[in-house]
Amino acid sequence: NAGVTQTPKFRVLKTGQSMTLLCAQDMNHEYMYWYRQDPGMGLRLIHYSVGEGTTAKGEVPDGYNVSRLKKQNFLLGLESAAPSQTSVYFCASSYFGGLGNEQFFGPGTRLTVL
Amino acid sequence: AQTVTQSQPEMSVQEAETVTLSCTYDTSESDYYLFWYKQPPSRQMILVIRQEAYKQQNATENRFSVNFQKAAKSFSLKISDSQLGDAAMYFCACNTDKLIFGTGTRLQVFP
Repeated sequence: NAGVTQTPKFRVLKTGQSMTLLCAQDMNHEYMYWYRQDPGMGLRLIHYSVGEGTTAKGEVPDGYNVSRLKKQNFLLGLESAAPSQTSVYFCASSYFGGLGNEQFFGPGTRLTVL
Repeated sequence: AQTVTQSQPEMSVQEAETVTLSCTYDTSESDYYLFWYKQPPSRQMILVIRQEAYKQQNATENRFSVNFQKAAKSFSLKISDSQLGDAAMYFCACNTDKLIFGTGTRLQVFP
């Protein structure tokens, strides 16, 4: 099993450009999450999904959109990138949303917005 | 709103020795879980250990154990017999509805 994979691993954008980050999991998990990690801060939740076709806002959703058309994939979109979105983005998944459920993380995508 | 605080940005330990990483949290919820995640240089987060708030017994996973003090809202991680492979960022996290992370502690392990 590959677990949680993320594409791409690195990306450099110019201000105003758009891009989509792809997250895929092969564990048949219901829940999927997108986080961002900035220096000196912990991971912060951007958006999440509780199942195919659903999405919900997390702690820092502004400037991002998401889609979950297939159970195994969770896409994160930046419509008009800003330097403040320079960060490392992590995708995660879990069987369900129970408080004690382990989240399995991908390797991250380092995004730089110039 | 819940918060998680890790007051030690960096810690170091000699190989084979024991080290304790501190974490405090704040929540008004009575039902929650606490976690320690490890982030090695590869960046991929790995679950180290978890603790249910209702359980008084401290969780243990091989060389990793926690000291859960519910009244003090403290959740420290003890790593025994430290190994070079333990070197990483360690994040404490609390889940009452969403998983909230602390800012992390970078652990260095010296031979």
